[in-house]
Amino acid sequence: GQNIDQPTEMTATEGAIVQINCTYQTSGFNGLFWYQQHAGEAPTFLSYNVLDGLEEKGRFSSFLSRSKGYSYLLLKELQMKDSASYLCAVRGAGNMLTFGGGTRLMVKP
Amino acid sequence: DSGVTQTPKHLITATGQRVTLRCSPRSGDLSVYWYQQSLDQGLQFLIQYYNGEERAKGNILERFSAQQFPDLHSELNLSSLELGDSALYFCASQATNTEAFFGQGTRLTVV
Repeated sequence: GQNIDQPTEMTATEGAIVQINCTYQTSGFNGLFWYQQHAGEAPTFLSYNVLDGLEEKGRFSSFLSRSKGYSYLLLKELQMKDSASYLCAVRGAGNMLTFGGGTRLMVKP
Repeated sequence: DSGVTQTPKHLITATGQRVTLRCSPRSGDLSVYWYQQSLDQGLQFLIQYYNGEERAKGNILERFSAQQFPDLHSELNLSSLELGDSALYFCASQATNTEAFFGQGTRLTVV
């Protein structure tokens, strides 16, 4: 089965940097995804890691360590519009995509 | 626009009733996933289809069923509805080895 853990809530200040961690235990591993979801809206894709290391995309970066079953999403130069839930998802055996419970990020002025 | 279309956007129905939610995946995507998201909760995986065949099943109630048709659109059927079934239901489609794209969801309210 799949088990994905991430913190429930985080708070950060506008302009700062925040790191959202995700740990996982899965049967089979075929990639890890990060999505952003604003309340009541559809999740939107942020990043994808399948090999160890850091993937950078503008203000957002994502890191993966397969041996540790660990990933993080790094958000730089936080803006108020970054207040949202951030979902870690693992694609495992059978290409099944399983989501963690999400981390609700609140950005304060 | 993700290219994934879900209908209807909103649905209000009474307890005990049956509803059908529809999802049209992005052109060419063979995989369709269904997720349930209750208020302030995470995405709960219900079921996955790949090219018309059931591929994986999550914690889907026996009152719920789904299918994927030859044209790759999918339907999620919810029957004997209860108040606790009120939620956002998302469909996502995926090509092989790419990210999944989500529809805008169907907000189901059971009264």
